[in-house]
Order: sequence, then structure tokens, then C-alpha cells
Amino acid sequence: EAGVAQSPRYKIIEKRQSVAFWCNPISGHATLYWYQQILGQGPKLLIQFQNNGVVDDSQLPKDRFSAERLKGVDSTLKIQPAKLEDSAVYLCASSSIRQGMEAFFGQGTRLTVV
Amino acid sequence: KQEVTQIPAALSVPEGENLVLNCSFTDSAIYNLQWFRQDPGKGLTSLLLIQSSQREQTSGRLNASLDKSSGRSTLYIAASQPGDSATYLCAASGYSTLTFGKGTMLLVSP
Repeated sequence: EAGVAQSPRYKIIEKRQSVAFWCNPISGHATLYWYQQILGQGPKLLIQFQNNGVVDDSQLPKDRFSAERLKGVDSTLKIQPAKLEDSAVYLCASSSIRQGMEAFFGQGTRLTVV
Repeated sequence: KQEVTQIPAALSVPEGENLVLNCSFTDSAIYNLQWFRQDPGKGLTSLLLIQSSQREQTSGRLNASLDKSSGRSTLYIAASQPGDSATYLCAASGYSTLTFGKGTMLLVSP
């Protein structure tokens, strides 16, 4: 069974530029999460999808961040415009009720905003 | 809102010691509790998953326990090795979200 795939692995952009991250969850997993992890801290949930519907986006800075999950499979997370404080690792995870909601994570995308 | 706390924030031990990492959560209405390992610059690797109806799970030298009523989980690592050096994160899963602690950074010296 393939794991959660994320791309790109690394990205360096200048402030005020835009950037997009892509995630392909484990096949059949209805729940998809995007987390932001700043160095030295635990992951913070940005948005959670159940199929293609949003379950929780209370901590998503909606003035600059957006996410979508078309057809309930792949997902993209976009930042526009980026700020210096957006430098972090962006983690995607997926889970399924059939596997007891065990969360499986991708390798993450390390974003550096200069 | 669920809050997860991990103690200690950092731990340094010599090889061979048995050690305990602590995790506490404020809302006992959880679906499961999961322990992860994170190596520097890497993603999260799932170590153990304890469903809300279970009391403990074991995998090799790792044993995790769950006490829902007191809002606590512990991760026990037996006979620690330098390869165990990493950050260990616990996460409490409610019915609609997964909340993480800040992690315990473990260093096992040879």
C-alpha cells in the first residue's frame, strides 16, 4: 500500500510570492489533514477534509491560505501572498474509519520564505 | 477545545536505560491516541495507536498505555538505544480532529 505522497519536498520563495503544495492521500482514506509545523513546535492543524467537505478550518489564515480537495482524493494547499512567518514544514496526513482513524503522514514540504 | 501536553520537553539518557514519556489531554472524549516519532527534517512515523476502548499497546521495545478517565498516556521505551534519538509526539483524536502535543526531544547517548 502506497503511503501519503507530498510535493514538492522543499520550496524557497520570496515574501509576497505565492506557493502551492500538493498531497495525494492513501487510497480509500476519506479524511485528509493539512498541518503546519514551525521549528521546535508540534504540528498545528490548518484544515481537515472529510471526502471533499471541510470539517475544520478554524486555524486556517483565510486571508492568505486556501485549500481544496477535488473529487475527495488529492488536495492542494496554497499561500498567497506568503509572509516570513509562514516558513515551516507543511504536513499532509490521511486516515480511514476502517483503520481506526490511524493517521498516516507524508514526508512534508519544507517552506522557506525569504 | 482539546489541549495536549507532553512532559518532559527534552530528555537525555545513557544507552540501556528504560524511560517513560508522558502525555496528558484535557478532553477525555477521544476516539484514539497515537504516538509518533519524528526524525530531524522528516515527516511523522506512527509508532502506536491506542483505541479509546483499549488500555495499552505494545510494539517491540515500546509500550503505550492509556487512561482516559485521568486524561493521560505514557510511552515506555525499554533498553534505550542511540537509534531511538528523535522527537516523540502524541496526538489525541477526537471525532472530528487530531490534536498534537509539542513533543519530547529524546537523546540517547552511547
